[in-house]
Amino acid sequence: TQLLEQSPQFLSIQEGENLTVYCNSSSVFSSLQWYRQEPGEGPVLLVTIVTGGEVKKLKRLTFQFGDARKDSSLHITAAQPGDTGLYLCAGLYNFNKFYFGSGTKLNVKP
Amino acid sequence: GAGVSQSPSNKVTEKGKDVELRCDPISGHTALYWYRQSLGQGLEFLIYFQGNSAPDKSGLPSDRFSAERTGGSVSTLTIQRTQQEDSAVYLCASSLVSRGIGELFFGEGSRLTVL
Repeated sequence: TQLLEQSPQFLSIQEGENLTVYCNSSSVFSSLQWYRQEPGEGPVLLVTIVTGGEVKKLKRLTFQFGDARKDSSLHITAAQPGDTGLYLCAGLYNFNKFYFGSGTKLNVKP
Repeated sequence: GAGVSQSPSNKVTEKGKDVELRCDPISGHTALYWYRQSLGQGLEFLIYFQGNSAPDKSGLPSDRFSAERTGGSVSTLTIQRTQQEDSAVYLCASSLVSRGIGELFFGEGSRLTVL
């Protein structure tokens, strides 16, 4: 069973559209992270969110950590082909172990 | 080294053979993780090391899988009597978690193909 449920699993959109990816759990995490992975490479950290209710923005990407520290979302505004990749959420559980969501494969068509 | 190094990058083996995958973490990182990733899928947790000890081995799929870490540094993941379902990319990551905050730094993975 997955500690973190991520949705949707696949997303194919046109350039310029907006999208939201969700990451949900029944467990509380001490911090929540989002990673992006390109083919043939390991995941690379996009953001770390520590405080419940916190919102972080990274250019066209907006990340939110739920008040109860159990869920998170990633919103991309005006998606571009360069955003294509596998997006993974990861929660730090019990201050020492990272659990990953199942991933969202995003394809942005020009 | 500057980053997490994994070897081999690619390994093709025959069913029933043993394989060893190596991970060299970032110097000073106390935590080391092994994950398995099937094509285009998410990361499946295998085992976690804090220093040389493995407080959580719960993700190892069977007793054919084992891992060790020596000197608080290099780790080896061993798969005995490989099966075709073991084919995947095995990713290693290291981290220095401080006060509940830490970033995982990943290697590029070892792609294992069992024929």
